[in-house]
Amino acid sequence: DTAVSQTPKYLVTQMGNDKSIKCEQNLGHDTMYWYKQDSKKFLKIMFSYNNKELIINETVPNRFSPKSPDKAHLNLHINSLELGDSAVYFCASSQEGQSFYGYTFGSGTRLTVV
Amino acid sequence: AQTVTQSQPEMSVQEAETVTLSCTYDTSESDYYLFWYKQPPSRQMILVIRQEAYKQQNATENRFSVNFQKAAKSFSLKISDSQLGDAAMYFCASGSARQLTFGSGTQLTVLP
Repeated sequence: DTAVSQTPKYLVTQMGNDKSIKCEQNLGHDTMYWYKQDSKKFLKIMFSYNNKELIINETVPNRFSPKSPDKAHLNLHINSLELGDSAVYFCASSQEGQSFYGYTFGSGTRLTVV
Repeated sequence: AQTVTQSQPEMSVQEAETVTLSCTYDTSESDYYLFWYKQPPSRQMILVIRQEAYKQQNATENRFSVNFQKAAKSFSLKISDSQLGDAAMYFCASGSARQLTFGSGTQLTVLP
C-alpha cells in the first residue's frame, strides 16, 4: 500500500485551464503539505493543513486553492493555469507529537502547461 | 525565518569511496530537527537520515552519517563506501512539523 499517493503523476494542459491534483495518505498523520519544486529543483512550501485546518499559506497566487475534506486527503486545485505554473508538485504528510520524524512524500505530479 | 544553504551544487565520488556533502542552516527556533533527503531520477523524495537538534550525538544510518555542529549551524552528510545507487540529488532540510525548509540540493554522481 502506498503511504502517500498523488494522482495524476503527469499532467499536461493548456494555459487557462483549471486542473486538480489529489493526495491521500494512509499513515494516520494529522498534517499534510503541498510543496512546489521548480525547474532548478528548489522545493518551496505552498500550504500546510493540520486536521483539516489551514496552517500555512505561503505567498501563492490565489489561483491555487487547497481543499482538505478530511485529514487523510489534501487536494490542490489550480485555476487559469499559466506557463509559470509548470513544475513538480509534491504532497507530503507528517505526524506532530513529542518528536518529529520528517515528512513522507508522495511521488510528485509533474505539471506541464503549454 | 529559516534558511538552509548547500554550497555544492554538484559533487562526484568514485564507487566505494567516501564523500561529504555540506549544509549550513540558520534558524531562530530552539526546538528543531535536521534531515537529509535523497531524490533519485525517479523523483521520489526519500528520507536518508534525521538529527534531533537537542542531541549532541551524530546520527548514523548504515553507510550514512552526519557531522552536526550546532554552534556553527552546520549539518554535513558523509556517505561511506559509495554505491552506484547513491547517485541522486541530496537535499538538506531544517525545521519542525510545522514547516521544513529545504536547501537547493547537491547533485551527487557516483563514478564506476
